Amino acid sequence: RKEVEQDPGPFNVPEGATVAFNCTYSNSASQSFFWYRQDCRKEPKLLMSVYSSGNEDGRFTAQLNRASQYISLLIRDSKLSDSATYLCAVGSSASKIIFGSGTRLSIRP
Amino acid sequence: DAGVIQSPRHEVTEMGQEVTLRCKPISGHDYLFWYRQTMMRGLELLIYFNNNVPIDDSGMPEDRFSAKMPNASFSTLKIQPSEPRDSAVYFCASRTGPWNTIYFGEGSWLTVV
Repeated sequence: RKEVEQDPGPFNVPEGATVAFNCTYSNSASQSFFWYRQDCRKEPKLLMSVYSSGNEDGRFTAQLNRASQYISLLIRDSKLSDSATYLCAVGSSASKIIFGSGTRLSIRP
Repeated sequence: DAGVIQSPRHEVTEMGQEVTLRCKPISGHDYLFWYRQTMMRGLELLIYFNNNVPIDDSGMPEDRFSAKMPNASFSTLKIQPSEPRDSAVYFCASRTGPWNTIYFGEGSWLTVV
């Protein structure tokens, strides 16, 4: 079993839709959680950190469920510019960061 | 501020040749990571350093791969001899502190023919 798992997608949704991704992790001692966005042929860039109480940044909401060992990302009112691959990242107790394989999102007009 | 700087950006080499990838982390960052990304395997952690010391190299695929960090501002990832299956994008990333965000370089696109 991989340490961090994501549904690879692709998710193909219309502009304006709400879309949600989940990411599960296996190490219960994990301490830090992030969502990254990666555009085609570019490096991953931080979208948002994920805090225990959940956090929101504009149209993006991230949640952490420690009991079930997953994090989620919700995108509301999706835009064409949201088309990208979304990677979850989990920091273990040893301070290394493991990434999921990414979920591809395509927003259609 | 300058981000993580990697070189070369693109390299095409023949099987059996030595490949050296270079990375300059963000100034002041004490953690440095090397990742490899392929379509099949996603973004894999190869090795990471803290204060120039390798902490975990369990992701290094085999003895053909080696990494060094001689000082706080420079790291190398070497593949010798290279094989076609090593073709991938190699990312270097850095951060400050054990739990903070990591920042990626633009990657080194390696093709071994």
